[in-house]
Amino acid sequence: NAGVTQTPKFQVLKTGQSMTLQCAQDMNHEYMSWYRQDPGMGLRLIHYSVGAGITDQGEVPNGYNVSRSTTEDFPLRLLSAAPSQTSVYFCASSYKVDQPQHFGDGTRLSIL
Amino acid sequence: AQSVAQPEDQVNVAEGNPLTVKCTYSVSGNPYLFWYVQYPNRGLQFLLKYITGDNLVKGSYGFEAEFNKSQTSFHLTTPSALVSDSALYFCAVREARVDSSYKLIFGSGTRLLVRP
Repeated sequence: NAGVTQTPKFQVLKTGQSMTLQCAQDMNHEYMSWYRQDPGMGLRLIHYSVGAGITDQGEVPNGYNVSRSTTEDFPLRLLSAAPSQTSVYFCASSYKVDQPQHFGDGTRLSIL
Repeated sequence: AQSVAQPEDQVNVAEGNPLTVKCTYSVSGNPYLFWYVQYPNRGLQFLLKYITGDNLVKGSYGFEAEFNKSQTSFHLTTPSALVSDSALYFCAVREARVDSSYKLIFGSGTRLLVRP
């Protein structure tokens, strides 16, 4: 049982480049979220989804897009990378809104 | 708007001593409250939650937390700390409201160091 799988684990981009962070879960969870973790700021919600075809914005959505075409996958797209997007990104999923989230091991992203 | 405060950046205790990691929250209605732990280079792992019912919640690894509605707090405690408890701890809150919103808000985290 893989749980929540994030790829890649590490990535270095140049300013202005675009890329997609992948997230997949094999637990048939309806709820999925993307967070970024920055020192001293905890985790901040970027976007979330309550089911296939449904997405919504979190606290810090600017510069990021998401889509949810299947229950399993929830990719996060950086449209034009900026140094302020240097961070550790975590994907999480849960069965219901009051259930614990399962987290991936993160993608460490550096924007030069 | 929802918010969570973890007033201590770091808590230091000796192994075998009790510890408390503090968390206060703000929501407009009733809360769902969670504690997570993060070890180096890993994602967050669930420790315990309060949804409804008994105010004292027991979770993984000997931790427990007490929901205090009047003080809007959900402090994490353990009676005897272990060196292996050293990690980063996060409190999180979501408003208990039946709608499509799913905004789980995290605190800034508290680093726990347990010395031998």
